[in-house]
Amino acid sequence: LAKTTQPISMDSYEGQEVNITCSHNNIATNDYITWYQQFPSQGPRFIIQGYKTKVTNEVASLFIPADRKSSTLSLPRVSLSDTAVYYCLVGLIGGYNKLIFGAGTRLAVHP
Amino acid sequence: NAGVTQTPKFRVLKTGQSMTLLCAQDMNHEYMYWYRQDPGMGLRLIHYSVGEGTTAKGEVPDGYNVSRLKKQNFLLGLESAAPSQTSVYFCASRTKGFGETQYFGPGTRLLVL
Repeated sequence: LAKTTQPISMDSYEGQEVNITCSHNNIATNDYITWYQQFPSQGPRFIIQGYKTKVTNEVASLFIPADRKSSTLSLPRVSLSDTAVYYCLVGLIGGYNKLIFGAGTRLAVHP
Repeated sequence: NAGVTQTPKFRVLKTGQSMTLLCAQDMNHEYMYWYRQDPGMGLRLIHYSVGEGTTAKGEVPDGYNVSRLKKQNFLLGLESAAPSQTSVYFCASRTKGFGETQYFGPGTRLLVL
């Protein structure tokens, strides 16, 4: 499974757009890119998933360049409640879907 | 629809004691997973199951056993607890299909003294 690299932590302020970039140089042809969010004392929660180009849902956007060696999670107009750890995962989303979690990015949103 | 539930929420064990963690899901999902999360770390896969009566090892299976006797339940057992097993344990489930995501439970916090 492809290894991912993300910043350990980020800080932002309410109302700003936050972009978290994840590197996955060894991504395979059949790999998808998935982002999860985790609040303290809770299990991870699915945010968004994509294969290439851009994906948008009601929570976030995911930008994936043509070479797919990186991806960027974009959170528009963050609020205090977006303070959490964000995980980028890369793997074959099918079969047994064995997710490999890294340490994630700790996002702190300030007033 | 409760999603994924875990029992108990918190437990303290002494070294050498045994216990079973229960995960239940009411979404009729085929796949179920057990992870552990240590402080400041990501989740690591312990065991998983792709259907009733089947289980397989994940990244860190040593010291744990699992059973999936019913589709909706996935049990994680510690036969002889060790301090190194102090962690937060998360269960997850998903349906079979390409691109499906995992749904996680609230976690069980385990302290082994």
